Amino acid sequence: GQQVMQIPQYQHVQEGEDFTTYCNSSTTLSNIQWYKQRPGGHPVFLIQLVKSGEVKKQKRLTFQFGEAKKNSSLHITATQTTDVGTYFCAVDTGGFKTIFGAGTRLFVKA
Amino acid sequence: SAVISQKPSRDICQRGTSLTIQCQVDSQVTMMFWYRQQPGQSLTLIATANQGSEATYESGFVIDKFPISRPNLTFSTLTVSNMSPEDSSIYLCSVGQGNGGLFFGSGTQLSVL
Repeated sequence: GQQVMQIPQYQHVQEGEDFTTYCNSSTTLSNIQWYKQRPGGHPVFLIQLVKSGEVKKQKRLTFQFGEAKKNSSLHITATQTTDVGTYFCAVDTGGFKTIFGAGTRLFVKA
Repeated sequence: SAVISQKPSRDICQRGTSLTIQCQVDSQVTMMFWYRQQPGQSLTLIATANQGSEATYESGFVIDKFPISRPNLTFSTLTVSNMSPEDSSIYLCSVGQGNGGLFFGSGTQLSVL
């Protein structure tokens, strides 16, 4: 079945630095979703991308879907302590089944 | 957006016992999904619960271990049966959103001694 590989596993940044997490697949994806899970919380849906080359922004967050629809990235500009958590990419594989990447845990030092 | 109430929020159970987790949604939904999140890990789909039919289980999960009920379009339960310490995880129910993506309940943190 479809799988998505996500890197890095974790990243430590100083507050104000940028952060990027990447999601890759060996097969063409129909869509890519991104979630944020705060420590002790549940995953919260951020966005879904479906078009080749799509770029969407949410304030300091920029989401990209690759031209070949095999990779995606989430970039946070000027991180804040409120950005701490784990960011997951996920794919709706069809049949209403969503598969999650391993996640990237972000630590932000004030 | 859907509001999902999941309970219990946490429990500590003895080996060999069973725990039933409840998930209530504030609107009618066709499918509800149950996920497991082992400590420090990603989310793994256990099964999809459809109203009026048997749940569909993913590879590695069986009905005898994780029986699921779906009596109506707003409610589902997941039972973790004959528990062992390896079942210690967070269990999450979820429903689909209209624009893609999933809403999650707040989760049940299960510790098995």
